[in-house]
Amino acid sequence: AQSVTQLDSQVPVFEEAPVELRCNYSSSVSVYLFWYVQYPNQGLQLLLKYLSGSTLVKGINGFEAEFNKSQTSFHLRKPSVHISDTAEYFCAVKREYGNKLVFGAGTILRVKS
Amino acid sequence: DTAVSQTPKYLVTQMGNDKSIKCEQNLGHDTMYWYKQDSKKFLKIMFSYNNKELIINETVPNRFSPKSPDKAHLNLHINSLELGDSAVYFCASSGSFFVVSSGANVLTFGAGSRLTVL
Repeated sequence: AQSVTQLDSQVPVFEEAPVELRCNYSSSVSVYLFWYVQYPNQGLQLLLKYLSGSTLVKGINGFEAEFNKSQTSFHLRKPSVHISDTAEYFCAVKREYGNKLVFGAGTILRVKS
Repeated sequence: DTAVSQTPKYLVTQMGNDKSIKCEQNLGHDTMYWYKQDSKKFLKIMFSYNNKELIINETVPNRFSPKSPDKAHLNLHINSLELGDSAVYFCASSGSFFVVSSGANVLTFGAGSRLTVL
């Protein structure tokens, strides 16, 4: 079965600084990878996804992530964060031929002015 | 215009009661899901239906019974509510489980239903 580890439970960062949220997965088969964002008291919104092709994927709000198969990682990055990026970010994995989306425990990004 | 809508958004009830949460999607998706987010924000799948047929049933107490009258609706009924059932329940939908394509693999989530059991 696949699993996801988000290495940081909270990441504090100053506005306009770069940020990286780390995600590692384990699976014995090919997977698809996703990042979702949850703003306070709201549902989950898809930020970006990796299904195939280029390992660098760009998403909404200036976020990007790089799929690294050898390191089984899918870290999320943004070169310059805004206060409005404060939210919880979830990494998720799904087997290529399955429909069960497995989530990591989430990383709270706190952007300070 | 809401793609995946859940009702109610908030639900406060006493232990032992029975309650239902409804979910509807207007995306034309074939597959729908229920996820539970506990107090530590951990998200775990509970059920999945594809075109009204149950395809995923995780280790969930029998007190939880999903019902899908058609592929656009997936309701969750909970009997004999317990304190530990307090959580946010998210409904989601996606393209057909049986079709491996870029669209099929993205889940669209509802805004969540916060259940508080007293």
